[in-house]
Amino acid sequence: AQKVTQAQTEISVVEKEDVTLDCVYETRDTTYYLFWYKQPPSGELVFLIRRNSFDEQNEISGRYSWNFQKSTSSFNFTITASQVVDSAVYFCALSEAPTGANSKLTFGKGITLSVRP
Amino acid sequence: SQTIHQWPATLVQPVGSPLSLECTVEGTSNPNLYWYRQAAGRGLQLLFYSVGIGQISSEVPQNLSASRPQDRQFILSSKKLLLSDSGFYLCAWSPGQHNEQFFGPGTRLTVL
Repeated sequence: AQKVTQAQTEISVVEKEDVTLDCVYETRDTTYYLFWYKQPPSGELVFLIRRNSFDEQNEISGRYSWNFQKSTSSFNFTITASQVVDSAVYFCALSEAPTGANSKLTFGKGITLSVRP
Repeated sequence: SQTIHQWPATLVQPVGSPLSLECTVEGTSNPNLYWYRQAAGRGLQLLFYSVGIGQISSEVPQNLSASRPQDRQFILSSKKLLLSDSGFYLCAWSPGQHNEQFFGPGTRLTVL
């Protein structure tokens, strides 16, 4: 069975600090997808990134970067120069299905990030 | 572009009363649709998913049910609410050929 572990539950940083959110996953499939979502105080989950298991290239999008390491089954998320607006709960998720017909997501328990001014 | 709507945004209901939450998607056809519940403590639990009209799969046994009467409409229902049904209910859709899911604004349900 698939599993996503986000060992950090709460992180507090001061604005402009860099912060890394950890995600470790378990799956028996060779084809799978990994995701990160952001849940601001308003409650709606915002999709940030999808990465498939065959693409280990790291990705950078502005202040956000993701480090996918199959050897350690990790998909960590780094926010550079954090801002108060980054305060939210961040979820890592895993989907084993290669097609959308059965694309159920398994979510980690989330990490609450607080960025203080 | 695609948008997903949920209503109501908030709801307070007494124990034993019925429930109907609605989710609609615009700008796409034949989406996969999902209902999640997020109880206090943040974890997201998949309740139901649907790959087409009238096709519902249940993930956990409970007193909730789901229906998909139209391609882009997904309804979550209960005949008699329990206190434990309180939570934040999120509807999501995915395009089918990809796996990322896009979430609606959610409904916050309080059962008293």
